[in-house]
Parts: sequence; C-alpha cells; structure tokens
Amino acid sequence: DAKTTQPTSMDCAEGRAANLPCNHSTISGNEYVYWYRQIHSQGPQYIIHGLKNNETNEMASLIITEDRKSSTLILPHATLRDTAVYYCIVRVAEGSQGNLIFGKGTKLSVKP
Amino acid sequence: DGGITQSPKYLFRKEGQNVTLSCEQNLNHDAMYWYRQDPGQGLRLIYYSQIVNDFQKGDIAEGYSVSREKKESFPLTVTSAQKNPTAFYLCASSIGTANTEAFFGQGTRLTVV
Repeated sequence: DAKTTQPTSMDCAEGRAANLPCNHSTISGNEYVYWYRQIHSQGPQYIIHGLKNNETNEMASLIITEDRKSSTLILPHATLRDTAVYYCIVRVAEGSQGNLIFGKGTKLSVKP
Repeated sequence: DGGITQSPKYLFRKEGQNVTLSCEQNLNHDAMYWYRQDPGQGLRLIYYSQIVNDFQKGDIAEGYSVSREKKESFPLTVTSAQKNPTAFYLCASSIGTANTEAFFGQGTRLTVV
C-alpha cells in the first residue's frame, strides 16, 4: 500500500485559507487520495477524495499534482471548528479490498 | 436516520475479562472495519469484513476476535490475550469499493483496570 507523509502540525488564522500538504510518492495509478478529519474523541469524518482531477465540495478543495505524487487539501475560510487532526490516506485498489490505512495526520490549529 | 452506531461510548472492565464492543449500521454497506487508536496516534486496523460470514485480520489482530453473521453487525471481542486493551475503538463501514468513502461511528473508549 502507498504511504503518505504529512507535517505533524500547522497553524492557521481564522478566516484565512488552510492549505494542508500530503506526499504520496509511491501511489499507484488506480489508487484514490482520501482526506478525513478527526475532532478530539470523535470518529473521523470524511472530507473529500479524488483520483486525478481536482475536486471541490462544500467542505474543501483537493488539488492533486499532475504526477499524483502529492496533493493539497484547502479549507477556503478556516473557522475555529476546523481545528482537528487531518488525515491524508491513499486507498488501496479494489483487489486489496479498499482498506483505509491511516498515518498520524496533521494537527491543524485555527487561531482567532 | 441512517448511520453507524457504536455502543457503549465508555466501557470499563477488569483485567482478564473478555469484553465485546457493538457496531451496527443501517447503511446497507457490505464492508465493515474495526480500528484502534491510542493517544496521539493514528488509527490502526484490527479486523475488516468485506461481506457477511467473511472477515480478515488487519495489522494488529492479536488478542481480538470478530464475527459477521449479519450484514448490519460487526461486533469486536477484546480477549484477555490482548496485552494493552485500554484504547479508543472505532468502527467504520463502506460500500466496499475503493471509490466510496467510509463512515465512522463515534467510538468506544475502553478502560481496563
């Protein structure tokens, strides 16, 4: 399974964009990039996922580089409630049954 | 409402006792997963099941057991063989293919004293 590398922690000012990077240099052609976040003592919450193209939903945008070796999750206007641990995950292909392999994630602190 | 439910939220047990954590989903998902999370760490996969009556070991299956007799239910038993059972346990479910997201329960915090 491809592994991901994320910074341990990041700070962001409230109202500004939060850009969370992720490296996945060994990703295979049919593996998706997923982002989840976990607020303290709760279950992880799905944010967004993509394969090749950039994606956007009501929560965030996902920018995947052309070579697919890295991606960036963008929270356009961070709020205090966005303070959480953000996990970048490469989801293995169907032949390996689609498991989610979590790393330690990035602890994002949004400050007033 | 559709969702995935774990119970109880907090659980205390004496050392040496087996304990079973409940996980139920009404999302009609084929795949279900159990993860363990220790303080300051990411999630580690214990067991997963892609279909009823079938399940596979994850990275840290020793000391745990599961069953999948019904599509909706995937209970996890923490046995006395698990050396460090105190942890936060998370259950998840998904349709089962790589292009779909997984939904997580709110977790069970198990404390063994």
